[in-house]
Amino acid sequence: NAGVTQTPKFRVLKTGQSMTLLCAQDMNHEYMYWYRQDPGMGLRLIHYSVGEGTTAKGEVPDGYNVSRLKKQNFLLGLESAAPSQTSVYFCASSYSGAQETQYFGPGTRLLVL
Amino acid sequence: AQKITQTQPGMFVQEKEAVTLDCTYDTSDPSYGLFWYKQPSSGEMIFLIYQGSYDQQNATEGRYSLNFQKARKSANLVISASQLGDSAMYFCAMREGTFGNEKLTFGTGTRLTIIP
Repeated sequence: NAGVTQTPKFRVLKTGQSMTLLCAQDMNHEYMYWYRQDPGMGLRLIHYSVGEGTTAKGEVPDGYNVSRLKKQNFLLGLESAAPSQTSVYFCASSYSGAQETQYFGPGTRLLVL
Repeated sequence: AQKITQTQPGMFVQEKEAVTLDCTYDTSDPSYGLFWYKQPSSGEMIFLIYQGSYDQQNATEGRYSLNFQKARKSANLVISASQLGDSAMYFCAMREGTFGNEKLTFGTGTRLTIIP
């Protein structure tokens, strides 16, 4: 039982490049989330999904897209990376949205030059 | 307005002492949940404790307890008998919203350092 895993752990991009971050969970959770963590700002929700095939915008969705084609996977895409997207990205999942703890992945550190 | 406010950016506490980390929140939802997470220097987010808005008693999990004062909208984390391994960033978070549209909002965190 690996819990929540994220790929890659670290990535350096040039401005304008694209990439996809992969989140996988093996706990059969319905809900999945993508956050970014910036110094002094806590975690902010980018996008989330309440089930396979569904996605919704969070607090800071601009510049990102997501897909949830399979229940266990939640992909975060950057189509044209910008230096402002330099951050640590965390994926999380929970069994349902209500009263449930979110379990976090180890994070992906992204540097955009 | 900030939904979650953590007013202590950093704290230093002597080992074995108790420590209280402050958290105040702002919501108009009658149903909400409050969480505390620990983030050690290795970076992962570790769930510590949860309090539901309708829970009558304060939540406890081992050395962690949540001092929930609903009227004051505060949800302070209390760590008893602190240990060196408690040194980390601590985040307070609030879940609000209706089913299918629930979101978790995090505070900016408190960096706790335990001194031997």
